[in-house]
Amino acid sequence: ETGVTQSPTHLIKTRGQQVTLRCSSQSGHNTVSWYQQALGQGPQFIFQYYREEENGRGNFPPRFSGLQFPNYSSELNVNALELDDSALYLCASSLASSDSPLHFGNGTRLTVT
Amino acid sequence: EDQVTQSPEALRLQEGESSSLNCSYTVSGLRGLFWYRQDPGKGPEFLFTLYSAGEEKEKERLKATLTKKESFLHITAPKPEDSATYLCAVQPSGGSNYKLTFGKGTLLTVNP
Repeated sequence: ETGVTQSPTHLIKTRGQQVTLRCSSQSGHNTVSWYQQALGQGPQFIFQYYREEENGRGNFPPRFSGLQFPNYSSELNVNALELDDSALYLCASSLASSDSPLHFGNGTRLTVT
Repeated sequence: EDQVTQSPEALRLQEGESSSLNCSYTVSGLRGLFWYRQDPGKGPEFLFTLYSAGEEKEKERLKATLTKKESFLHITAPKPEDSATYLCAVQPSGGSNYKLTFGKGTLLTVNP
């Protein structure tokens, strides 16, 4: 069984640039969620995708956007990067059932300078 | 708004010294409470889901319990490999049941 994989593992960008992060779901999982984890904090919910549509969104501005593809993989796009966007970005997959726990990847560490 | 508070922020134990981590929560309706373990530079690893007050779950040296206001993660005779950050999260039962609200975690260090 293949777990959740994310790429790249690390990324350095300049303020104002745009970034795309990628995620492959665990085999058999059809729902993808993205979380932002700042240093010393717990993960914060960004949004969730199910059947290629955004299923719910947290308190993040529209410059955070996403996609889910037919094979359930996903992308997180962030435009106009700000210094505060520096964080670990975590992708998690699950089954559509609300009883299904999230299974996380190891994240992408984004540094904005 | 759902809230999760974990205490202590950090805990240092000697190998074999049992203790408990606390997770206090506020949620309009609880669908589930989750415990995760996170190692440095890694994503959270799922440990347990608890659904109703009085429920208990065990895995090796870990036991999680749930009341209507808090959850405890009991660690019995810990080993150095139990060192990690332990995260607690709640899932609401209402319309926002697609998201988890996490606490900041408890950093556990077990010394040999």
